[in-house]
Amino acid sequence: ELKVEQNPLFLSMQEGKNYTIYCNYSTTSDRLYWYRQDPGKSLESLFVLLSNGAVKQEGRLMASLDTKARLSTLHITAAVHDLSATYFCAVDLTGNQFYFGTGTSLTVIP
Amino acid sequence: DSGVTQTPKHLITATGQRVTLRCSPRSGDLSVYWYQQSLDQGLQFLIQYYNGEERAKGNILERFSAQQFPDLHSELNLSSLELGDSALYFCASSVDFLSYEQYFGPGTRLTVT
Repeated sequence: ELKVEQNPLFLSMQEGKNYTIYCNYSTTSDRLYWYRQDPGKSLESLFVLLSNGAVKQEGRLMASLDTKARLSTLHITAAVHDLSATYFCAVDLTGNQFYFGTGTSLTVIP
Repeated sequence: DSGVTQTPKHLITATGQRVTLRCSPRSGDLSVYWYQQSLDQGLQFLIQYYNGEERAKGNILERFSAQQFPDLHSELNLSSLELGDSALYFCASSVDFLSYEQYFGPGTRLTVT
Protein backbone atom coordinates (compact mmCIF):
# COMPACT_ATOMS: atom_id res chain seq x y z
CA GLU A 1 0.00 0.00 0.00
CA LEU A 2 1.20 3.47 -0.81
CA LYS A 3 2.42 5.44 2.17
CA VAL A 4 2.61 9.21 2.15
CA GLU A 5 4.52 10.91 4.92
CA GLN A 6 4.68 14.58 5.66
CA ASN A 7 7.01 16.39 7.97
CA PRO A 8 6.87 18.20 10.11
CA LEU A 9 3.42 17.43 11.49
CA PHE A 10 3.32 20.71 13.34
CA LEU A 11 5.11 23.89 12.41
CA SER A 12 5.15 27.15 14.28
CA MET A 13 6.98 29.90 12.54
CA GLN A 14 7.41 33.63 12.85
CA GLU A 15 6.13 36.04 10.30
CA GLY A 16 8.71 36.86 7.69
CA LYS A 17 10.57 33.57 7.98
CA ASN A 18 11.01 30.87 5.38
CA TYR A 19 10.33 27.19 5.80
CA THR A 20 9.79 23.98 3.85
CA ILE A 21 7.27 21.19 4.30
CA TYR A 22 8.29 17.78 2.97
CA CYS A 23 6.15 15.06 1.46
CA ASN A 24 7.68 11.62 0.90
CA TYR A 25 5.84 8.75 -0.72
CA SER A 26 6.64 5.09 -1.07
CA THR A 27 5.62 4.14 -4.63
CA THR A 28 6.53 5.71 -7.93
CA SER A 29 4.06 8.31 -9.09
CA ASP A 30 4.32 11.41 -11.20
CA ARG A 31 1.17 13.07 -9.95
CA LEU A 32 1.16 14.95 -6.71
CA TYR A 33 -1.18 17.54 -5.27
CA TRP A 34 -1.07 20.06 -2.47
CA TYR A 35 -4.15 21.19 -0.57
CA ARG A 36 -4.86 23.69 2.14
CA GLN A 37 -7.47 23.20 4.85
CA ASP A 38 -8.56 25.92 7.26
CA PRO A 39 -10.03 24.81 10.60
CA GLY A 40 -13.54 23.45 10.15
CA LYS A 41 -13.39 24.06 6.42
CA SER A 42 -13.02 22.02 3.27
CA LEU A 43 -9.92 21.43 1.20
CA GLU A 44 -8.69 24.00 -1.27
CA SER A 45 -6.48 22.93 -4.15
CA LEU A 46 -3.13 24.72 -4.17
CA PHE A 47 -0.92 22.97 -6.69
CA VAL A 48 -1.08 20.14 -9.19
CA LEU A 49 2.33 18.67 -10.08
CA LEU A 50 2.27 16.26 -13.00
CA SER A 51 5.87 15.53 -13.93
CA ASN A 52 9.35 15.13 -12.56
CA GLY A 53 10.95 18.49 -11.94
CA ALA A 54 7.63 20.34 -11.94
CA VAL A 55 7.73 23.58 -10.00
CA LYS A 56 4.76 25.82 -9.36
CA GLN A 57 4.49 29.06 -7.46
CA GLU A 58 1.58 31.05 -6.15
CA GLY A 59 2.29 34.05 -3.98
CA ARG A 60 4.46 33.01 -1.03
CA LEU A 61 4.11 29.30 -1.73
CA MET A 62 6.18 27.23 -4.11
CA ALA A 63 5.82 23.50 -4.70
CA SER A 64 8.19 21.13 -6.45
CA LEU A 65 8.25 17.46 -7.36
CA ASP A 66 11.16 15.04 -7.61
CA THR A 67 9.70 11.73 -8.74
CA LYS A 68 13.03 9.91 -8.58
CA ALA A 69 13.44 10.79 -4.92
CA ARG A 70 9.68 10.36 -4.38
CA LEU A 71 9.68 13.73 -2.72
CA SER A 72 7.68 16.91 -2.99
CA THR A 73 8.33 20.11 -1.12
CA LEU A 74 6.14 23.06 -0.27
CA HIS A 75 8.28 26.09 0.40
CA ILE A 76 6.94 29.06 2.30
CA THR A 77 8.62 32.41 1.76
CA ALA A 78 8.29 35.30 4.21
CA ALA A 79 5.35 33.75 6.04
CA VAL A 80 2.32 35.82 6.94
CA HIS A 81 -0.47 35.04 9.39
CA ASP A 82 -2.94 34.29 6.58
CA LEU A 83 -0.92 31.19 5.69
CA SER A 84 -1.84 29.54 9.00
CA ALA A 85 -3.69 26.35 8.03
CA THR A 86 -3.16 22.63 7.60
CA TYR A 87 -1.42 21.60 4.40
CA PHE A 88 -1.86 18.18 2.84
CA CYS A 89 -0.04 16.52 0.02
CA ALA A 90 -1.74 13.75 -1.92
CA VAL A 91 -0.27 11.22 -4.32
CA ASP A 92 -2.24 9.81 -7.20
CA LEU A 93 -1.23 6.34 -8.38
CA THR A 94 -3.78 5.36 -10.93
CA GLY A 95 -5.32 8.60 -12.08
CA ASN A 96 -8.21 8.44 -9.70
CA GLN A 97 -7.10 7.31 -6.25
CA PHE A 98 -5.66 9.88 -3.93
CA TYR A 99 -3.50 8.91 -0.97
CA PHE A 100 -3.19 11.80 1.45
CA GLY A 101 -0.33 12.63 3.75
CA THR A 102 -0.84 13.17 7.45
CA GLY A 103 -1.01 16.91 7.06
CA THR A 104 1.20 19.70 8.41
CA SER A 105 -0.44 22.13 10.78
CA LEU A 106 1.17 25.51 10.23
CA THR A 107 0.85 28.38 12.67
CA VAL A 108 2.41 31.71 11.74
CA ILE A 109 3.13 33.86 14.76
CA PRO A 110 3.24 37.66 14.48
CA ASP B 1 -17.08 28.35 -2.95
CA SER B 2 -16.09 25.31 -5.01
CA GLY B 3 -19.52 24.76 -6.53
CA VAL B 4 -19.83 21.34 -4.90
CA THR B 5 -22.69 21.07 -2.43
CA GLN B 6 -23.20 18.55 0.32
CA THR B 7 -26.14 17.92 2.61
CA PRO B 8 -26.63 17.76 5.46
CA LYS B 9 -23.85 19.80 7.07
CA HIS B 10 -24.17 17.99 10.37
CA LEU B 11 -25.68 14.66 11.30
CA ILE B 12 -25.98 13.11 14.73
CA THR B 13 -27.21 9.56 14.98
CA ALA B 14 -26.96 6.48 17.16
CA THR B 15 -24.93 3.32 16.74
CA GLY B 16 -26.55 0.74 14.52
CA GLN B 17 -28.42 3.30 12.47
CA ARG B 18 -28.18 4.05 8.75
CA VAL B 19 -27.65 7.46 7.16
CA THR B 20 -27.40 8.89 3.67
CA LEU B 21 -25.11 11.72 2.69
CA ARG B 22 -25.76 13.63 -0.48
CA CYS B 23 -23.44 15.41 -2.88
CA SER B 24 -24.07 17.53 -5.96
CA PRO B 25 -21.00 18.04 -8.14
CA ARG B 26 -20.03 21.24 -9.91
CA SER B 27 -21.95 21.91 -13.06
CA GLY B 28 -20.34 19.95 -15.89
CA ASP B 29 -18.32 17.61 -13.67
CA LEU B 30 -18.90 13.93 -14.33
CA SER B 31 -16.75 12.40 -11.58
CA VAL B 32 -17.61 12.31 -7.91
CA TYR B 33 -15.26 11.16 -5.15
CA TRP B 34 -15.99 10.44 -1.51
CA TYR B 35 -13.45 10.89 1.29
CA GLN B 36 -13.49 10.34 5.02
CA GLN B 37 -11.50 12.53 7.39
CA SER B 38 -11.06 11.41 10.98
CA LEU B 39 -8.52 12.03 13.69
CA ASP B 40 -7.55 8.34 13.73
CA GLN B 41 -7.30 7.63 10.02
CA GLY B 42 -6.62 11.02 8.52
CA LEU B 43 -7.98 11.68 5.05
CA GLN B 44 -8.94 8.51 3.21
CA PHE B 45 -10.28 8.00 -0.27
CA LEU B 46 -13.44 5.90 -0.23
CA ILE B 47 -14.85 5.60 -3.72
CA GLN B 48 -15.13 7.29 -7.11
CA TYR B 49 -18.00 7.37 -9.60
CA TYR B 50 -17.80 8.58 -13.16
CA ASN B 51 -20.96 9.29 -15.11
CA GLY B 52 -22.95 6.84 -13.03
CA GLU B 53 -20.42 4.02 -12.96
CA GLU B 54 -18.09 3.02 -10.16
CA ARG B 55 -14.49 3.74 -11.26
CA ALA B 56 -12.28 3.22 -8.24
CA LYS B 57 -12.54 1.92 -4.73
CA GLY B 58 -10.40 2.86 -1.78
CA ASN B 59 -10.73 2.00 1.89
CA ILE B 60 -14.48 1.76 1.88
CA LEU B 61 -16.06 -0.56 4.42
CA GLU B 62 -18.59 -3.15 3.33
CA ARG B 63 -21.17 -1.38 5.51
CA PHE B 64 -20.79 1.66 3.26
CA SER B 65 -22.09 2.00 -0.27
CA ALA B 66 -22.49 4.74 -2.79
CA GLN B 67 -24.14 5.48 -6.07
CA GLN B 68 -24.28 8.21 -8.67
CA PHE B 69 -27.60 9.04 -10.24
CA PRO B 70 -28.42 10.08 -13.83
CA ASP B 71 -28.47 13.74 -12.79
CA LEU B 72 -24.89 13.11 -11.51
CA HIS B 73 -25.57 13.74 -7.86
CA SER B 74 -24.19 11.07 -5.57
CA GLU B 75 -25.20 9.52 -2.29
CA LEU B 76 -23.06 7.77 0.28
CA ASN B 77 -24.94 5.30 2.44
CA LEU B 78 -23.50 4.33 5.80
CA SER B 79 -25.18 1.50 7.68
CA SER B 80 -24.79 -0.34 10.99
CA LEU B 81 -23.01 2.74 12.22
CA GLU B 82 -20.28 2.45 14.82
CA LEU B 83 -18.69 5.08 17.03
CA GLY B 84 -15.59 4.92 14.87
CA ASP B 85 -17.55 6.09 11.84
CA SER B 86 -17.76 9.56 13.34
CA ALA B 87 -15.87 11.73 10.90
CA LEU B 88 -16.06 14.46 8.32
CA TYR B 89 -17.15 13.11 4.96
CA PHE B 90 -16.12 15.08 1.92
CA CYS B 91 -17.32 14.83 -1.60
CA ALA B 92 -15.22 16.13 -4.47
CA SER B 93 -15.87 16.42 -8.17
CA SER B 94 -13.82 16.69 -11.33
CA VAL B 95 -14.55 17.08 -14.99
CA ASP B 96 -13.24 13.72 -16.07
CA PHE B 97 -12.37 10.37 -14.52
CA LEU B 98 -8.70 11.36 -14.38
CA SER B 99 -8.70 13.60 -11.37
CA TYR B 100 -6.09 16.21 -12.15
CA GLU B 101 -8.18 18.87 -10.46
CA GLN B 102 -10.64 17.94 -7.76
CA TYR B 103 -13.00 20.43 -6.15
CA PHE B 104 -14.08 19.63 -2.64
CA GLY B 105 -17.46 20.26 -1.06
CA PRO B 106 -17.89 21.70 2.45
CA GLY B 107 -18.30 18.27 4.02
CA THR B 108 -20.82 16.53 6.25
CA ARG B 109 -19.86 16.08 9.86
CA LEU B 110 -21.22 12.78 11.14
CA THR B 111 -21.36 12.10 14.85
CA VAL B 112 -22.34 8.63 16.00
CA THR B 113 -23.34 8.40 19.67
